[in-house]
Amino acid sequence: QSVLTQPPSVSAAPGQKVTISCSGSSSNIGNNYVSWYQHLPGTAPKLLIYDNNKRPSGIPDRFSGSKSGTSGTLGITGLQTGDEADYYCGTWDSSLTAAVFGGGTKLTVL
Amino acid sequence: EAQLVESGGGLAQAGGSLRLSCVASGFSFSPYSMHWVRQAPGKGLEWLSYIITSSNIIYYADSVKGRFTVSRDNAQNSLYLQMNSLRDDDTAVYFCARVKGPTLATHYLDLWGQGTPVTVSS
Repeated sequence: QSVLTQPPSVSAAPGQKVTISCSGSSSNIGNNYVSWYQHLPGTAPKLLIYDNNKRPSGIPDRFSGSKSGTSGTLGITGLQTGDEADYYCGTWDSSLTAAVFGGGTKLTVL
Repeated sequence: EAQLVESGGGLAQAGGSLRLSCVASGFSFSPYSMHWVRQAPGKGLEWLSYIITSSNIIYYADSVKGRFTVSRDNAQNSLYLQMNSLRDDDTAVYFCARVKGPTLATHYLDLWGQGTPVTVSS
């Protein structure tokens, strides 16, 4: 059971938009920054969003992040088949003194 | 190009030990704190351990506390994970990751290795 809660899967057609939610608590998302990672099996996870809503260089603006209270959200617009991957949110939990991740969301581009 | 390369994974017996290494190249390793993270088959990412630049502050997940030990050698640009008393549920791909951000509250993992697989057999 993950500390952060994500939907197991989301799907949409190419060109459409999806959002992936990440729900936590005051000890993690409520008081700390959220980051998002894209992971294709057999590869290194890739940072997509940091500081709740910032994109590293090289990440297209189709990817966006937001945070409200104890929840974070990843948005992906203009979906491409290459976006099919697992997506994870992450943050620090001050009560657990531990980094925490969501359980992961599998994105399918139909 | 900045890169992290893990090694040392393989097959181990339950109750046995393995030592994983993570070698950094293409950037100055010593100023960065580091994490170990793993992914068991069919599961999500699980954080294991955090170590700061000087090794003076180290945190572990409850699942590995007392069994795993993280260390680093800044002169060798290397991070290590000594895994003892291995269990079946330690079977996973193990990743090292570089930490960025001024505090733990604002930190994120901006560079990851490809991972090294560990299989524990009873």
